[in-house]
Amino acid sequence: NAGVTQTPKFRVLKTGQSMTLLCAQDMNHEYMYWYRQDPGMGLRLIHYSVGEGTTAKGEVPDGYNVSRLKKQNFLLGLESAAPSQTSVYFCASKGGGGRITDEQFFGPGTRLTVL
Amino acid sequence: AQSVTQLGSHVSVSEGALVLLRCNYSSSVPPYLFWYVQYPNQGLQLLLKYTSAATLVKGINGFEAEFKKSETSFHLTKPSAHMSDAAEYFCAVSLLSGGYNKLIFGAGTRLAVHP
Repeated sequence: NAGVTQTPKFRVLKTGQSMTLLCAQDMNHEYMYWYRQDPGMGLRLIHYSVGEGTTAKGEVPDGYNVSRLKKQNFLLGLESAAPSQTSVYFCASKGGGGRITDEQFFGPGTRLTVL
Repeated sequence: AQSVTQLGSHVSVSEGALVLLRCNYSSSVPPYLFWYVQYPNQGLQLLLKYTSAATLVKGINGFEAEFKKSETSFHLTKPSAHMSDAAEYFCAVSLLSGGYNKLIFGAGTRLAVHP
């Protein structure tokens, strides 16, 4: 099993450009999450999904959109990138029935720089 | 609202010395707590978790953490540091919000191990 994979690993954008980050998991997990990691702030939840076709906002959703058309994929879109979106983005997934004690499995991250 | 606070953004120890990384939580209900580790340029992986079964929790790579309700703490320890322990460590609390499970992370503690 590859676990959770993220594409691309690195990306540089100019302000105003758009892009999509892809997250894929092969563990048949229902839950998927997108986080951003900034120095001194830990990980903050952007959006999450509790199943195919469903998405919901997290702590910092502004400027991002997501889609979960297939159970194994969770896409994060930036329609008009801003320098404030320079960050490392992590995807995670979790199985089970939403048990509060289940762990999340993380991808390797995407480092995005917006100039 | 539930939250976690990690005291000390940077901790430096000598190889062979005790590792102590501090985490305090704020919760109005019994918390479910996690420690994750992030090695350089990698995603997060689970070290250990507290699910109320036992107050002393053993994890991977010789780490353990003790849940102390009276102190609202869940500090991470390892008796003898190895060079390979150099990484960033995150404490997190798992909670239900809007009927769904989320993780709230602390800001992280970067551990340096010197010879």
